[in-house]
Amino acid sequence: DAMVIQNPRYQVTQFGKPVTLSCSQTLNHNVMYWYQQKSSQAPKLLFHYYDKDFNNEADTPDNFQSRRPNTSFCFLDIRSPGLGDAAMYLCATSRDLPTGSGYNEQFFGPGTRLTVL
Amino acid sequence: AQSVTQLDSHVSVSEGTPVLLRCNYSSSYSPSLFWYVQHPNKGLQLLLKYTSAATLVKGINGFEAEFKKSETSFHLTKPSAHMSDAAEYFCVVPFTGGFKTIFGAGTRLFVKA
Repeated sequence: DAMVIQNPRYQVTQFGKPVTLSCSQTLNHNVMYWYQQKSSQAPKLLFHYYDKDFNNEADTPDNFQSRRPNTSFCFLDIRSPGLGDAAMYLCATSRDLPTGSGYNEQFFGPGTRLTVL
Repeated sequence: AQSVTQLDSHVSVSEGTPVLLRCNYSSSYSPSLFWYVQHPNKGLQLLLKYTSAATLVKGINGFEAEFKKSETSFHLTKPSAHMSDAAEYFCVVPFTGGFKTIFGAGTRLFVKA
């Protein structure tokens, strides 16, 4: 089945120790997103890629970086995790906006829960 | 500016009774709208979407939603709740002119036996 895969599902890191989360997709979608979701809150968009075109949200901290080496893979790098970065990180994909037929939905991976000690 | 408001942070129903999760949107034109469900420690799954083809939209697991332009609402309903429906539900509207989406704050649905 076509899907969005995130690894690992659970990640524990130490305060200040860099960590990388990965996302892969078999849907061949052009657009990939990274969200941060804290407990009992809605997902918050960090950035998205349209093909290789990177789009950062204005309030995304510099501590968060992303790479998309090809269509299938996207990585989230947290350079110096703080206690406040503990959260669920969700990867999602979508197709291009089709002409005149509304907006396509996003397909989400299962998420990576990050714990910072 | 576009926005979406979920009117209830928590809803509690008994198994077998109807479910109503309320969502109001603000937009200068007729938008697309989505409902997603998130079970604990899982990703989000699309329940249904409105894209102006029909105002009554049927989704998965027996859920449906009706788009009412006059009331700027897109409420989610299900005739009979099941224990497995207990989850967080998000009403979502795409941001005009880009790929971003605007999430409601979410409604936690509790289902009592």
